Amino acid sequence: DTEVTQTPKHLVMGMTNKKSLKCEQHMGHRAMYWYKQKAKKPPELMFVYSYEKLSINESVPSRFSPECPNSSLLNLHLHALQPEDSALYLCASSQVERGPNSPLHFGNGTRLTVT
Amino acid sequence: GDSVTQMEGPVTLSEEAFLTINCTYTATGYPSLFWYVQYPGEGLQLLLKATKADDKGSNKGFEATYRKETTSFHLEKGSVQVSDSAVYFCALQGDDKIIFGKGTRLHILP
Repeated sequence: DTEVTQTPKHLVMGMTNKKSLKCEQHMGHRAMYWYKQKAKKPPELMFVYSYEKLSINESVPSRFSPECPNSSLLNLHLHALQPEDSALYLCASSQVERGPNSPLHFGNGTRLTVT
Repeated sequence: GDSVTQMEGPVTLSEEAFLTINCTYTATGYPSLFWYVQYPGEGLQLLLKATKADDKGSNKGFEATYRKETTSFHLEKGSVQVSDSAVYFCALQGDDKIIFGKGTRLHILP
């Protein structure tokens, strides 16, 4: 069982919808991440929060809006997405943002389809 | 910049065969190295790690040794099982974000 929980597992949304992806971890990790993964590709980093502050935004379009309400929760708000945004969205956490003994712990992802 | 190169897949083996998946890296400094595995329908799981030269990471029968002289971190397993069928990602972390290789899909035939 994964220690990073993501909801929902699947999401289908239209291009005019607003939806949110949620992620939760209770390992006391202080860094949390959003990744996007297309089929047969490695994960691509989108955002990093470190100690609840946005640390990295990999030039992600503004239709994706991250939020970190507290150290255990991470949200990704979605608005006016495009069909090419359809992908597996993975949340991950680590003890700290960078460090040799701070590997990533991933959730099982949300499979997003934009119609 | 830092980069990871791993062998192209898919790799197809029979059960109980010996597995090697090659991974080489380019990095400044002394990165930590990881192998992650992704089973169908799941996220990535850390399989093993090594944080300095000559370290050997091991888990579930898999092993990889951090070779600084050849900048490599090859994944090996002596006898694979059908349940090892998955995608394997080599990754490094230096001073910046984690860099993933493109992934190697492994199929094990019964």
